[in-house]
Amino acid sequence: QKEVEQNSGPLSVPEGAIASLNCTYSDRGSQSFFWYRQYSGKSPELIMFIYSNGDKEDGRFTAQLNKASQYVSLLIRDSQPSDSATYLCAVYFDSGGSNYKLTFGKGTLLTVNP
Amino acid sequence: SAVISQKPSRDICQRGTSLTIQCQVDSQVTMMFWYRQQPGQSLTLIATANQGSEATYESGFVIDKFPISRPNLTFSTLTVSNMSPEDSSIYLCSVEGGQGLYEQYFGPGTRLTVT
Repeated sequence: QKEVEQNSGPLSVPEGAIASLNCTYSDRGSQSFFWYRQYSGKSPELIMFIYSNGDKEDGRFTAQLNKASQYVSLLIRDSQPSDSATYLCAVYFDSGGSNYKLTFGKGTLLTVNP
Repeated sequence: SAVISQKPSRDICQRGTSLTIQCQVDSQVTMMFWYRQQPGQSLTLIATANQGSEATYESGFVIDKFPISRPNLTFSTLTVSNMSPEDSSIYLCSVEGGQGLYEQYFGPGTRLTVT
């Protein structure tokens, strides 16, 4: 069973701080990694994807990937109350027979306090 | 990314009935996916729908319970059959697309309550 693990939280940070969200995955062969943001009552929104080891920055968001440690993280700089949401880590796994599927973690609830 | 719409946005249904959910995309896509998100849970893939072939179902999901149609490259339906309260969930369709590999974009979802 291919798995994606996240701390469920809640993670609470003050406005302006850095929020750090973490994710581990079970399949060493995985190549594609995604972060989704889901506001309450809404569908998931893709905010970052990363395929190579290292950091990838997009505005206030930085995704970090360490394939050797099977670890991917999302940093949110200068956190805003509007960043309060559940963040879902998703990994593309080979489910067998060259069938790939996106597997989601349970998500981390982030609250940014004004 | 593609613009995805779903109908209905929400519904309340009685036990034993069926509901068909529609997913429409504004561009042609090869693969469409159907997910379920139960209350307080993450997303679980139900099936993958390719145009012109039978849908591929994940473990725990069967065609008799969740029949899927994919008549063309912009449209798909998921039917939830013989519903029970345990089927109360948000049902989401998604498509691949974008700048890189395998990114999926989600429709707004259908919130189903079975009484």
